[in-house]
Amino acid sequence: QVQLVQSGAEVKKPGASVKLSCKASGYTFTRNDISWVRQAPGHGLEWMGWISSQNGHTNYAQKFQGRVTMTTDTSTTTAYMELRSLRSDDTAVYYCARVGPYGDYDHDSWGQGTLVTVSS
Amino acid sequence: SYVLTQPPSVSVAPGKTARITCGGNNIGSKGLHWYQQKPGQAPVLVIHYDTDRPSGIPDRFSGSNSGNTAILTISRVEAGDEADYYCQVWDSSSDHPHVVFGGGTQLTVL
Repeated sequence: QVQLVQSGAEVKKPGASVKLSCKASGYTFTRNDISWVRQAPGHGLEWMGWISSQNGHTNYAQKFQGRVTMTTDTSTTTAYMELRSLRSDDTAVYYCARVGPYGDYDHDSWGQGTLVTVSS
Repeated sequence: SYVLTQPPSVSVAPGKTARITCGGNNIGSKGLHWYQQKPGQAPVLVIHYDTDRPSGIPDRFSGSNSGNTAILTISRVEAGDEADYYCQVWDSSSDHPHVVFGGGTQLTVL
């Protein structure tokens, strides 16, 4: 079965960077894009961007451009998301999600989430 | 940019039908997806492409999408359906195509 397993919780200071991982299994990794979505405490879902697992092409939400980098390693079927210049309002649970194959960007499987806490 | 509008909360008695709306400009022209999120858990896709249920989703969940409103309908509501529900589209109409989520609706089973 499809599984996305994310790395563990992180605590960072303002101004630092964080790099999260998302290990995929149970399907052909290069056939599906991966999105990253975050959820601040008590808030809704916020899409950060996606990466093509086939060719590495990325599409970042305008809010995060210049501050986020998404990559994949096809040899280990792992996706990564690095967020830089962290602020307190970056405190959130970060999810990776597999994008469905048919072009309208549904997200059919999700990781368990990684809590990132930004605090001095 | 494109905006999806959901009511913050909907309440329904067990066994009744819940309808959660998602409004957007000409949303009926877009593929619309719904997610269920229970406290402390990751979202789960319950409806994609307006009306289709992924494998394992009960047929009590159904969707429609026309004009400026999409609707998630949950029939014969159970206590276990209590959750937050989010709609989502892919907005390809702007200069910068992107994923858009609605603000979410908290479903309370009375």
